[in-house]
Amino acid sequence: AQTVTQSQPEMSVQEAETVTLSCTYDTSENNYYLFWYKQPPSRQMILVIRQEAYKQQNATENRFSVNFQKAAKSFSLKISDSQLGDTAMYFCAFMGQNNAGNMLTFGGGTRLMVKP
Amino acid sequence: EAGVTQFPSHSVIEKGQTVTLRCDPISGHDNLYWYRRVMGKEIKFLLHFVKESKQDESGMPNNRFLAERTGGTYSTLKVQPAELEDSGVYFCASSQTRGTDTQYFGPGTRLTVL
Repeated sequence: AQTVTQSQPEMSVQEAETVTLSCTYDTSENNYYLFWYKQPPSRQMILVIRQEAYKQQNATENRFSVNFQKAAKSFSLKISDSQLGDTAMYFCAFMGQNNAGNMLTFGGGTRLMVKP
Repeated sequence: EAGVTQFPSHSVIEKGQTVTLRCDPISGHDNLYWYRRVMGKEIKFLLHFVKESKQDESGMPNNRFLAERTGGTYSTLKVQPAELEDSGVYFCASSQTRGTDTQYFGPGTRLTVL
């Protein structure tokens, strides 16, 4: 079974600074997908970024980028130029390609507070 | 395009009562998923529909939970009878044709069982 671990329950960062959220996972599969989701205080969970394991290039979406280290099974999220609207719970998630159900396995989440 | 919607947003019931949660996926999305997060724990998978068929229900905790997706459109998740440990936030997500497509989440239903 796959597991996802987010070792930082809470983090804070000053507005305009950079913060990195960590995520590690365990799997025996070679092909899979990794995701970062964000859940602001209003509760709607939205996709931040997605990475296919077969792609060596790290995914980037504007101020959000990942550092995907497949051998180390690490998938950290870097938020550059942090904004107050980035305050949210961030969830790292894994989806196996061989998994018939295509379920997401989530980490416990990291609560990020961006301070003015 | 409307996103995934869930109703109600919050439900408070007594132990032993029945509650039905509803999820409307994004139009055209064949895949529909239910997840839940109980207090202080990870979000856990419950089950997966492809159209009206249950593809995977390995995450359903017990037979007090019944999910349906008649006609392959909206889905309901009924808890009968509810127990205290069922309290948590129930999320619905949908994705397009392929199972590996990105899942889009609804706002969740917060269920409190007293």
